[in-house]
Formats: sequence, C-alpha cells, structure tokens
Amino acid sequence: KAGVTQTPRYLIKTRGQQVTLSCSPISGHRSVSWYQQTPGQGLQFLFEYFSETQRNKGNFPGRFSGRQFSNSRSEMNVSTLELGDSALYLCASTGEGRYEQYFGPGTRLTVT
Amino acid sequence: GESVGLHLPTLSVQEGDNSIINCAYSNSASDYFIWYKQESGKGPQFIIDIRSNMDKRQGQRVTVLLNKTVKHLSLQIAATQPGDSAVYFCAENTGGFKTIFGAGTRLFVKA
Repeated sequence: KAGVTQTPRYLIKTRGQQVTLSCSPISGHRSVSWYQQTPGQGLQFLFEYFSETQRNKGNFPGRFSGRQFSNSRSEMNVSTLELGDSALYLCASTGEGRYEQYFGPGTRLTVT
Repeated sequence: GESVGLHLPTLSVQEGDNSIINCAYSNSASDYFIWYKQESGKGPQFIIDIRSNMDKRQGQRVTVLLNKTVKHLSLQIAATQPGDSAVYFCAENTGGFKTIFGAGTRLFVKA
C-alpha cells in the first residue's frame, strides 16, 4: 500500500504571496491532519479533516486554511506569507477508528 | 495550556546499550499515547502506542511505560543500534481529533 504523499517537496516563496500544498493519504484513510514543524516550536497542529469536514483546528491565524476532497486528498493554503511561515509542513493520515498517524515526507516551505 | 514535554532534549548512548526516553504530559484526560521516530529528511514514523488503561506495552525491541499517577510516559529501546539515531516524539490524543506532540528528544547512538 502506498504511503502518504505530499507535493511539492520544496517550495520557495516571497513575503505576501500565497501557497497551496497538497497531500494524498494512504488509500482507505479518510482522516487527514496537517502540522507545521519548526526547530523552535516543534510539531504544531494545524487542522484535521474527515470526509471533507474540518473536525478540529489548532491555534493558527486565518491565513492558514485547508480543505479535503471527496477522494480524501487534502490541500492547505497559506495566504499573505510571512517570513515566520518558513517551516516543514507535514500531512498525516489515519485509518477509521484508529489514532496512530502515518506521515508524509513533508513540504519544506521557505519564505524570503 | 496543553503540553506534552520531554525531560531530556538529547540522549547519547553506546551501541548495544538500552535507551530510555522520557516524556511528561499535562492532560490527565488523554486516553491514548503514541511514540514516533523522525529521521532526518523524513516525516515522523509510528513506533508504538498505549492506551490509558494500560501501564506497559511491548513491541519489537521497544517498550512503552505509562504512569498516570505522575503523568509520565517513557520509551525504552533495547540493544540500541545506529539505525535508532533519530528524534523521538511522544504524543497524546485528547479524543478531539487532535494529537499534541512533545518537543522531541534527539537520540545519538555511538558506535
């Protein structure tokens, strides 16, 4: 079974731009979570989606948004990028009734 | 606020020795705890989990211990190998479709 895939793997943007990141979960997994990972803050929860509905979100500004499609693929969007948004963005999927998460390799976003 | 923390940010062990990575959590209502391993350039990888109604669970070369009285979690790795070098995260699931991760401990295995 293929793992979680994320595209693109690397991205460089300038301040003020917006970015969209994509995540394809493990086949059959309907829950997708997003995390921001930085050296200073560790893994910070962004939001979780299940069957196209956001069930929980973390403490991030409204510039961070996401969505999930009917095939469980998910995207997250960051608008008006700031230097502090530079991070590794990780996506994880979970099987129904389970808690353990399976992570993709992440998208490394650099904002200049 | 909610937090899952670690006592030691780095741990250095000799190959073949046992490793113990500790974690403190703050939400006494959490019912599910997980350990992840993250190697350089990769996403975290599930290692082992434990429910709050258990105090010990064993896997292949790994054991997780849970002490709810003092809200403490530990991961024991037997016969540590160079391939075990990574950052280890404890995490707790609060039941609200949200997992909270600790800060991470970097494990160095000396050959």
